[in-house]
Amino acid sequence: DAGVIQSPRHEVTEMGQEVTLRCKPISGHDYLFWYRQTMMRGLELLIYFNNNVPIDDSGMPEDRFSAKMPNASFSTLKIQPSEPRDSAVYFCASSLAITGYGYTFGSGTRLTVV
Amino acid sequence: QKEVEQDPGPLSVPEGAIVSLNCTYSNSAFQYFMWYRQYSRKGPELLMYTYSSGNKEDGRFTAQVDKSSKYISLFIRDSQPSDSATYLCAMLDTGNQFYFGTGTSLTVIP
Repeated sequence: DAGVIQSPRHEVTEMGQEVTLRCKPISGHDYLFWYRQTMMRGLELLIYFNNNVPIDDSGMPEDRFSAKMPNASFSTLKIQPSEPRDSAVYFCASSLAITGYGYTFGSGTRLTVV
Repeated sequence: QKEVEQDPGPLSVPEGAIVSLNCTYSNSAFQYFMWYRQYSRKGPELLMYTYSSGNKEDGRFTAQVDKSSKYISLFIRDSQPSDSATYLCAMLDTGNQFYFGTGTSLTVIP
C-alpha cells in the first residue's frame, strides 16, 4: 500500500487566491482527517469524515475553509480566499476505526501564503 | 490550560543514552494514549498505543501510563541517531476526540 497520498507537497500562493489541497486515503480506511500543524499551536484537527460523511468540522477556523470527500478514495481541503495566517503544514490522515488505532498520516502539504 | 502538556525541548543526548519523554494531561476522560514519531518534513507515524495504566514494551521503546497522576512517558533505550525526530503524545477521549501534544524535539548525537 502506498500509504496516504497528499498533493501538492509544497504550495506558495498570494494572499486572496484559492488553494486546494488533495488527499487519497489508504484503501479500506473508513475515517479521514484533516490536520493543520504550526510551531505555535502544534497539530490541530480541522475536520474528519466517516464513510465520506463529515462528522465534526468544529475545528475549521472560518468559512474560508471547506472540505469535501466525494468518494472513499479522495478528499479536498479548500481555502478561499487564502491569508498569510493560513501558512502551515496541512496533513491528511486515515484510519480503520476511531478507537483502538492510530492514524496513518500523509507527508503533508506545506502551504505558504505571501 | 491546555488539555495535553508536553515539554517542547529540544532534547539532545549522546548515542546509547536512555531517553525519557513525558506528557501530562488534565482530562480524566482520556482512554487511549499514543506516541507518534515525526521526522523532519514528514507526517507523524504511530510508534505505540496503549489503553490501560502500566507499561507496554516494543523493542527499545517502552510506553508508560499512570492514569492516577495523569502522566504518560515514552522511554527509548540505547538511543540511536536514527531516533532523532520530534515525538508527539496523543490521547483519545471517550467522545472520540484526539488531542495531540505539541511535540518534543530529540537529537541523538553519534
